[in-house]
Amino acid sequence: SYVLTQPPSVSVAPGKTARITCGGNNIGSKSVHWYQQKPGQAPVLVIYYDSDRPSGIPERFSGSNSGNTATLTISRVEAGDEADYYCQVWDSSSDQGVFGGGTKLTVL
Amino acid sequence: EVQLVESGGGLVQPGGSLRLSCAASGFTFSSYEMNWVRQAPGKGLEWVSYISSSGSTIYYADSVKGRFTISRDNAKNSLYLQMNSLRAEDTAVYYCARVVPYSHGAFDIWGQGTMVTVSS
Repeated sequence: SYVLTQPPSVSVAPGKTARITCGGNNIGSKSVHWYQQKPGQAPVLVIYYDSDRPSGIPERFSGSNSGNTATLTISRVEAGDEADYYCQVWDSSSDQGVFGGGTKLTVL
Repeated sequence: EVQLVESGGGLVQPGGSLRLSCAASGFTFSSYEMNWVRQAPGKGLEWVSYISSSGSTIYYADSVKGRFTISRDNAKNSLYLQMNSLRAEDTAVYYCARVVPYSHGAFDIWGQGTMVTVSS
């Protein structure tokens, strides 16, 4: 089955740029989606189709996908961005959804 | 308001059964693909099952195949998950989630989740 690999944690100072990676075999050939989850809350879609933002998501959130790595970039990080972030793809070879293990973003 | 509300969770013994429901409102439910996603306590998200808008296409995670059954009733704007032969490792918050059309599986609307605890 397809595996997505994320770093367990990323730390960033307020106002700086956070980059969260998601690794997978030839992930650049798939559509990658990103979710933000705060404690006790349901996940929220922040990026879909590699780089599209749903309405209501700040422009500070952006995504890219190429080769074996997809990246979620959060510019001008705010304290409110502290959360767990998950990447996700649909694996058409197995007809199954796949989530990465999640990355805890800490704002210093 | 676009909304998904899950219900039916609770405490069940190993080997038991439970049926989860997800009530949709604020959008044309019959036009959307739907999924169930779960999250064990302190763990990450795990995709569980998918159903097409008509209900004709269904997929399951290997971990639940043969034990769980997804279904929907478009007339009642409802999604279901029948869970049989439950195991301790099925303990999790279960979310229903709507798929963004033509997005290759992005989930844009999530319910608040319902907790399932499998324990004796």
